Amino acid sequence: DTGVSQNPRHKITKRGQNVTFRCDPISEHNRLYWYRQTLGQGPEFLTYFQNEAQLEKSRLLSDRFSAERPKGSFSTLEIQRTEQGDSAMYLCASGKLGDTQYFGPGTRLTVL
Amino acid sequence: AQRVTQPEKLLSVFKGAPVELKCNYSYSGSPELFWYVQYSRQRLQLLLRHISRESIKGFTADLNKGETSFHLKKPFAQEEDSAMYYCALRVGPNFGNEKLTFGTGTRLTIIP
Repeated sequence: DTGVSQNPRHKITKRGQNVTFRCDPISEHNRLYWYRQTLGQGPEFLTYFQNEAQLEKSRLLSDRFSAERPKGSFSTLEIQRTEQGDSAMYLCASGKLGDTQYFGPGTRLTVL
Repeated sequence: AQRVTQPEKLLSVFKGAPVELKCNYSYSGSPELFWYVQYSRQRLQLLLRHISRESIKGFTADLNKGETSFHLKKPFAQEEDSAMYYCALRVGPNFGNEKLTFGTGTRLTIIP
């Protein structure tokens, strides 16, 4: 499968714990995006990278959230001190400038 | 800020009947509009983008700037069209704004 991959697919954690998700984009794509989707809503933009540079962050991305793309390939999204309100599907997408964004299968986070 | 509205959360249509999924947007400039589809247990995937003016799986969508709409249409519904449909807007890469703004989605069910 040469599409966008995300790991883990599911994560259950207790409130206050830290979690990290990984996204592997399509190899030739230099842009990588993170979105969050809660029940009954469409995906909401969190942040995006061009190569290793983080170019935009949403106000949704509180200081407990941090994203990296150290070598311009895979990306990680870390949530520190998780809260129940962080429970959501976290989606990663990749693409090229001006082109379609291709989505991964998502990581479903449940915070107990 | 841009906004996308999909007024119908649920839509049921008989097989062979015409389908129209509504999408309205608010943005003062000239956005790019997309329709994404999510079939059961699959990832979000692009169905249409207005600049390509293609017909995919029999679906078409016309951007009406006067009415700020981008409704999705298909003349004869098929059972395999049952899915979740999201309308999305992008301000445009030329402005350095790459994020997609999604509507809340419409769940389409085709009745055999």
